[in-house]
Amino acid sequence: DAGVIQSPRHEVTEMGQEVTLRCKPISGHNSLFWYRQTMMRGLELLIYFNNNVPIDDSGMPEDRFSAKMPNASFSTLKIQPSEPRDSAVYFCASSLVSLQGGSNQPQHFGDGTRLSIL
Amino acid sequence: GQQVMQIPQYQHVQEGEDFTTYCNSSTTLSNIQWYKQRPGGHPVFLIQLVKSGEVKKQKRLTFQFGEAKKNSSLHITATQTTDVGTYFCAGLQETSYDKVIFGPGTSLSVIP
Repeated sequence: DAGVIQSPRHEVTEMGQEVTLRCKPISGHNSLFWYRQTMMRGLELLIYFNNNVPIDDSGMPEDRFSAKMPNASFSTLKIQPSEPRDSAVYFCASSLVSLQGGSNQPQHFGDGTRLSIL
Repeated sequence: GQQVMQIPQYQHVQEGEDFTTYCNSSTTLSNIQWYKQRPGGHPVFLIQLVKSGEVKKQKRLTFQFGEAKKNSSLHITATQTTDVGTYFCAGLQETSYDKVIFGPGTSLSVIP
């Protein structure tokens, strides 16, 4: 089975440029999560969607960051304009969440996008 | 807000020694998950604990969920070089059904 697919795997761009990260979750999963990982701050949840609807975006750093999920099989995370401090590994993860009893399935992570802003 | 802490932050052990990482939540959890991330890789799910006091084993790995459902531990017996990586706990708060909070992780190095 195909796992979570992220693209690109690596991105190097100059500050001020727009960056778009893409994610295809596992088919059948109803929740999608975007994380940012750095040495200093660890693994941070940026935003997550349930059934394509953004549920919690409290982790989004600022207005330069935006995320969309137009359908169940695709999501984007956009940074505009990008800054050097945005350099990090960005992970997308998906899971199947049950709305009953507080149960949730494991999150399956993609390979990540390694973003470098010069 | 909910916080999940892990100790230690780093651990260096000689191959064959045991290793334990501890996870503590500021609030009661519905369940707790453990993930392992190899250097340069992505977090991979290891196990989920749901019941108070639950203990689960995977070969040399033993996972425990505290009686109060606010803490957990992962113990590795006789570490091997393949155990190298960062171990994360992730807790699902009782008031949430989908948002897990990841701890900062414990980075394990194994000296051959």
